[in-house]
Amino acid sequence: DSGVTQTPKHLITATGQRVTLRCSPRSGDLSVYWYQQSLDQGLQFLIQYYNGEERAKGNILERFSAQQFPDLHSELNLSSLELGDSALYFCASSAYVVGGLNTEAFFGQGTRLTVV
Amino acid sequence: QKEVEQDPGPLSVPEGAIVSLNCTYSNSAFQYFMWYRQYSRKGPELLMYTYSSGNKEDGRFTAQVDKSSKYISLFIRDSQPSDSATYLCAMKGDTGFQKLVFGTGTRLLVSP
Repeated sequence: DSGVTQTPKHLITATGQRVTLRCSPRSGDLSVYWYQQSLDQGLQFLIQYYNGEERAKGNILERFSAQQFPDLHSELNLSSLELGDSALYFCASSAYVVGGLNTEAFFGQGTRLTVV
Repeated sequence: QKEVEQDPGPLSVPEGAIVSLNCTYSNSAFQYFMWYRQYSRKGPELLMYTYSSGNKEDGRFTAQVDKSSKYISLFIRDSQPSDSATYLCAMKGDTGFQKLVFGTGTRLLVSP
C-alpha cells in the first residue's frame, strides 16, 4: 500500500458528462501529480500541484481541470467527456520541498474511467 | 523524438535468468531516476530511486545510471514468475518543479 488513495476505483459514464476523480496523498506529502494512462500507452503527465498551487502542466486538455485543497487532497475534473477519454487516471504524491531535495513519487491504484 | 525511450518488449525469459531493462533519454537536465513496476493496470509501484550517476542495489534489483551516455538500466537477478509485469523508467530534473517523465514501459514475462 503506497499510502495514496484514489476514489472511485471504477467509473462508467456517458459521453458529454462530467466526472470528478479524487486523490488523497500520503500523509505529509505536499505535491500531487495526475497522470493519464490509455490502453497500451505510457503514463502521460497531466498536471502537478504543490501545497495548493499549480506548479507544472503537461498536455492536459482544456476540458480537464484540477485543484488541490487546503487539506492537500486533490480533485481532477473531466468534462464534456469523449470516448477517447477512457483511460486509467493515476494520482501520485511526493514530499518535494521548495529549495530542498526532490523525493520519489508514490502512486495510487488509479481510477478506471470508461466513457460509453 | 521522445524525451525517454524504452523498448516495449515483451521480454520473455526463463525463471532464474538475469534480466536487463534499459532506457535512454535526451534531456541532460534529468538528475533523478526511478524504476517502477506495474502489474496489469494496477498503480505503478516504486522499485528503485537513484540520484545522478552510479549504481544502487536492493535485494535482487540493481539500478545503474550512466549520465554520460544518457542510459539507465535495471537488472533483476534470479528472476521469478512473480516478476512478470511492466517495468517503467521515470526521471526528472532537480530545479524547480519538474514533471516526472516516464518511458512507455517494458513488459517482462518470466516463465516457470
